[in-house]
Amino acid sequence: NAGVTQTPKFQVLKTGQSMTLQCAQDMNHNSMYWYRQDPGMGLRLIYYSASEGTTDKGEVPNGYNVSRLNKREFSLRLESAAPSQTSVYFCASSASQGAQLNQPQHFGDGTRLSIL
Amino acid sequence: SQKIEQNSEALNIQEGKTATLTCNYTNYSPAYLQWYRQDPGRGPVFLLLIRENEKEKRKERLKVTFDTTLKQSLFHITASQPADSATYLCAPDTGGGNKLTFGTGTQLKVEL
Repeated sequence: NAGVTQTPKFQVLKTGQSMTLQCAQDMNHNSMYWYRQDPGMGLRLIYYSASEGTTDKGEVPNGYNVSRLNKREFSLRLESAAPSQTSVYFCASSASQGAQLNQPQHFGDGTRLSIL
Repeated sequence: SQKIEQNSEALNIQEGKTATLTCNYTNYSPAYLQWYRQDPGRGPVFLLLIRENEKEKRKERLKVTFDTTLKQSLFHITASQPADSATYLCAPDTGGGNKLTFGTGTQLKVEL
């Protein structure tokens, strides 16, 4: 059971470079999320997708774009990386849609991104 | 703005004792609250969910309470074991869809 798979696990970028973080889930979940986790800040929501074909901004969306490619995959793109985007990025999914609220979120093991 | 507070200081307890972690929230009234466990280098793992109309929820050695008057949730681990050592995150719902707002977590260390 793979659950939520994130690639890559580690990445070092130079300021101004672009990259895409990949996320895929095999649980047939409708909702998917991207978070960043920084020391002392907790997990902060960047973007989420309530269902295939929809995306919405979270708490800290600036500098990021997302694509919900299909039901399984939700990617996060940094167009021009900045040192402030150095963080650990987590993707999550949940079964929630419509009346099916209050469902737990299932997380991947993160991508550790350093921007020099 | 919505604010969630968890004790940032690590909690050290002896094996066999009960660990109690606190989550306080302000400026909103969540319909439910979830607790997660996070180990170093890993993503959070869901433990328990409690709804606003539930006072208490149990699962094996875990117990969660939810006091909407005090705006507080308590997370208890009874008969704690060294394997329970981890960071525990509380996450009240944000009020739209299934979005959550996570606290910064409390690190628990269970010593022999």
